[in-house]
Amino acid sequence: EAGVAQSPRYKIIEKRQSVAFWCNPISGHATLYWYQQILGQGPKLLIQFQNNGVVDDSQLPKDRFSAERLKGVDSTLKIQPAKLEDSAVYLCASSLGRTGNTEAFFGQGTRLTVV
Amino acid sequence: AQSVTQLDSQVPVFEEAPVELRCNYSSSVSVYLFWYVQYPNQGLQLLLKYLSGSTLVKGINGFEAEFNKSQTSFHLRKPSVHISDTAEYFCAVSDADSNYQLIWGAGTKLIIKP
Repeated sequence: EAGVAQSPRYKIIEKRQSVAFWCNPISGHATLYWYQQILGQGPKLLIQFQNNGVVDDSQLPKDRFSAERLKGVDSTLKIQPAKLEDSAVYLCASSLGRTGNTEAFFGQGTRLTVV
Repeated sequence: AQSVTQLDSQVPVFEEAPVELRCNYSSSVSVYLFWYVQYPNQGLQLLLKYLSGSTLVKGINGFEAEFNKSQTSFHLRKPSVHISDTAEYFCAVSDADSNYQLIWGAGTKLIIKP
């Protein structure tokens, strides 16, 4: 079974530039998550999709971050414009159902460095 | 609101020695508990989970954890560690109050000394 695919693995951009990350979840997984993991901290949920609808985006900085899930499968996360404090690893995960009782499978993440 | 505390940011231990990584959470109302492992340059992988039933949960790679409701703890243990266990370990909790979102601890780096 193929896992969660993310690209790119690494990205370096200057502040005020824009950047996009891509995620392909495990086939058949209805739930998709984007997390931000700052060095030395646990992951923080940015947005959760159920199929192509948003379930929770309460911690997404909507003035600069946006995400979409095309046709309930692939997803992209965009930052525009980037700030220095956006430097982090961005993790995509997917699960069959809600996290409460189902396992979330994680991609390897995209490490973003904003200079 | 639910919060998760991993008391140790780093735990150094000699190879073949036992280890315990501590995790405490704040709310004892019906919770689901998880331990994830993150090997260097890899994504997070589920080690084990407690949903209900027996309070002693066995996971992959010889790890186990015990759910203690009265102490609101879910400590991770392994009787004998190997160099391949070098990784960062994250405890996570979900409950109805958090709408079953995973609330994460800050992680504990397990450092195996030869």
